[in-house]
This record gives sequence, structure tokens and C-alpha cells, in this order.
Amino acid sequence: GDSVTQMEGPVTLSEEACLTINCTYTATGYPSLFWYVQYPGEGLQLLLKATKADDKGSNKGFEATYRKETTSFHLEKGSVQVSDSAVYFCALTHGQNFVFGPGTRLSVLP
Amino acid sequence: EPEVTQTPSHQVTQMGQEVILRCVPISNHLYFYWYRQILGQKVEFLVSFYNNEISEKSEIFDDQFSVERPDGSNFTLKIRSTKLEDSAMYFCASSEVGGRTEAFFGQGTRLTVV
Repeated sequence: GDSVTQMEGPVTLSEEACLTINCTYTATGYPSLFWYVQYPGEGLQLLLKATKADDKGSNKGFEATYRKETTSFHLEKGSVQVSDSAVYFCALTHGQNFVFGPGTRLSVLP
Repeated sequence: EPEVTQTPSHQVTQMGQEVILRCVPISNHLYFYWYRQILGQKVEFLVSFYNNEISEKSEIFDDQFSVERPDGSNFTLKIRSTKLEDSAMYFCASSEVGGRTEAFFGQGTRLTVV
């Protein structure tokens, strides 16, 4: 079945550092890809998405590019803030349900 | 901005009791979902619902679980005879269409079975 793999956390960075969270997937066909974020004590919020190969999703300074050849959808941000501290989930769907990665906890220190 | 709302935010129940978790999806959405997240673990799909019937369910969604859309706005998850291992955060989600678009998640209900 479909699966999503993310880099192990937790990730701890200083404010203004660069962020990359790796995500790779195994799936039949061409799923849509997403990054969701979960802030402490809250639900899952959509961060960005890409629905076809070479699409780049972006939001709030975060971006990720759908790479079919490497089956990857890495999340990047050039300069993180303390307010970015959260758990980040990579996910895919073919339309019926979402398959989530295990999540990567990010802590940004001032 | 429209959002998915879930009640209660936290439910404590005794083992063996029945619980009903409630969700109000976004009003023009047609597809509804339940997911769960056991503390510190991954988010797992339970069930999807469309046109007043289950369209897909996971192995987790056994006879202990049921879903219902009792009226035009609510979407419920019933867990019969709860077990300790049912303790988790349960998320409701909805999407406008079923094909490859984003789902919008509620804040979750934390279920604690004691």
C-alpha cells in the first residue's frame, strides 16, 4: 500500500536558520502531496500542497516541490521563526483518504 | 473562514462505555473523514463517508465503530464498548470533493479511556 516516510525528529534550529524536512513516498500512480502542520494543542492545518509532478507548493515562506523522479516532497524554509515550532506531517492522497508520515517535530530557539 | 468544529474537546470515559464524538463539517463539503492519532504516533485513517454511506474504511474501523450523519450538519463517530487502547486524539475532516484535494481538519477530540 501507499506510505510516506519523513526524516526522524526532533529538529532543533536557531531562529533564522534554514530548514529542510525530507519526505519521500511510495504510491501507485500520481497522488496529490501535502504538508500539514500541527501547532501545540491544535489540530492539523494545511500548510501547502502540490497535485502534479514539478508543481511547487508554497505558503508562509515554506515551499516544497513535487519530484516524481525521486518520489519526494521535501519541505524547505529559508529563515525559520520561533512561531514555526510545531509538528510537520507529509501526506498523500489519491482521493479517498490521506496517508500521513509519522511527523517531524521542529523546535526553533530564539 | 469556514472551519470544521468538533465536540467535545476532551472526553474521559470508563472502559466498556460507549462514546459519541461529534463533528460539524464545512457546510458545502461532501466528503467526511475520521482519523485518529495515538499520543506520539502517526495520524491513522479510520473511515471516509460520502452520500450517506461509508466509502472506505481501514482495518482499525471494526464493528466497534460506526459513523452517522444524523442531520444535514452533524457527522458522528460512535465507539461501542471502549477499550484502553482507544485512547487517542480523534480528528474529523471534510473536503469539498473527493478527488486529490485537500481535507480540512477539526481541532480534534482527545478521548481518554480509564
